[in-house]
Amino acid sequence: SAVISQKPSRDICQRGTSLTIQCQVDSQVTMMFWYRQQPGQSLTLIATANQGSEATYESGFVIDKFPISRPNLTFSTLTVSNMSPEDSSIYLCSVLRASGTRYEQYFGPGTRLTVT
Amino acid sequence: AQSVTQPDIHLTVSEGASLELRCNYSYGATPYLFWYVQSPGQGLQLLLKYFSGDTLVQGIKGFEAEFKRSQSSFNLRKPSVHWSDAAEYFCAVGARGNEKLTFGTGTRLTIIP
Repeated sequence: SAVISQKPSRDICQRGTSLTIQCQVDSQVTMMFWYRQQPGQSLTLIATANQGSEATYESGFVIDKFPISRPNLTFSTLTVSNMSPEDSSIYLCSVLRASGTRYEQYFGPGTRLTVT
Repeated sequence: AQSVTQPDIHLTVSEGASLELRCNYSYGATPYLFWYVQSPGQGLQLLLKYFSGDTLVQGIKGFEAEFKRSQSSFNLRKPSVHWSDAAEYFCAVGARGNEKLTFGTGTRLTIIP
């Protein structure tokens, strides 16, 4: 498995501001992902955080709104920019552990964001 | 495109009773299937996974799931639930070479005494 920590665990932010969420893993991993879980809904993949290069965003998500950094194999940040109440969600980081063609994704505890 | 359907949004089960959570998937190739549990205020914990081989897989906390290709299903079961099993359960699908998981909408499980 993997031990994943996220900071902050929760925050309440004013609209128009930005929040950066940190994700730290206890060992090197090849792939890291960021997900959003809107209230009462399932998880939606925002992007794949690529080490040393730009993140790969899913349809509906753009770099200007959700800039992502991944400076090394154990750390990544997601910034939620120019926030609006619609950005109120839980943001989760996950990592991939692969063995041959098989893999497992492990999730951090999440960051609960409320935008007022 | 892959998709996952969890038909039961909410399920209520008596403590000690058996449990079955339904999951149907749509995927053109052989799927990799996962069940996760999310307790209130917590992240997701992997319960079990299926890649190939034996269609009945065992997981943690006494859970098991059966892959039925003919029905495109991967239902989660537990013979006797405990109050601590109250949580949200998510089914997810991926594939060989496609590590981006697609999640179902989840089933919220309530346990009554």
